[in-house]
Amino acid sequence: GENVEQHPSTLSVQEGDSAVIKCTYSDSASNYFPWYKQELGKGPQLIIDIRSNVGEKKDQRIAVTLNKTAKHFSLHITETQPEDSAVYFCAASYSSASKIIFGSGTRLSIRP
Amino acid sequence: GAVVSQHPSWVICKSGTSVKIECRSLDFQATTMFWYRQFPKQSLMLMATSNEGSKATYEQGVEKDKFLINHASLTLSTLTVTSAHPEDSSFYICSGDRAYEQYFGPGTRLTVT
Repeated sequence: GENVEQHPSTLSVQEGDSAVIKCTYSDSASNYFPWYKQELGKGPQLIIDIRSNVGEKKDQRIAVTLNKTAKHFSLHITETQPEDSAVYFCAASYSSASKIIFGSGTRLSIRP
Repeated sequence: GAVVSQHPSWVICKSGTSVKIECRSLDFQATTMFWYRQFPKQSLMLMATSNEGSKATYEQGVEKDKFLINHASLTLSTLTVTSAHPEDSSFYICSGDRAYEQYFGPGTRLTVT
């Protein structure tokens, strides 16, 4: 089955700097890669996703890149703000209607 | 749009009793709903996938007789934890599929004493 590895487990960056979180997946059949932000005591919130026919996608300060050959995908957050502090999960799936396998999560802290 | 609610948001029950958690898609119809559990500082682990009108598909290691899932309509799925024990204490989260994206509920914190 699919296995998703995520690094780093914790990340602390200065406000205004960029943050990068990296993930790898094992199943070459996976073609849907969402990223979720989870705040304490809340459910995950979809922040951006990418499908296998696209190499990069950007939404304001957030971007995701996908390297299908290497089975890597990454989340990039630019101009970080205090409200970006949360746990971020990458995930992989054959399609969004099928089960999603989550990475282990990255706890992002933004230093003022 | 794409809002999923859960009820209750938290519940405390005594060991041996059963607890029902509701998951509703408020502004869309979800043919497929998923149930996850999450332990503190850990990732989400899929428990089961439920499709409206059919039996749920459980992940390996999840006891289907203990975690009863009913997906009676396109907007409602329920998870019943039967004969709860302290080790069942966890954060339970549901999600619904809409337009090829999964949207998650706010979670239900279950504490079994």
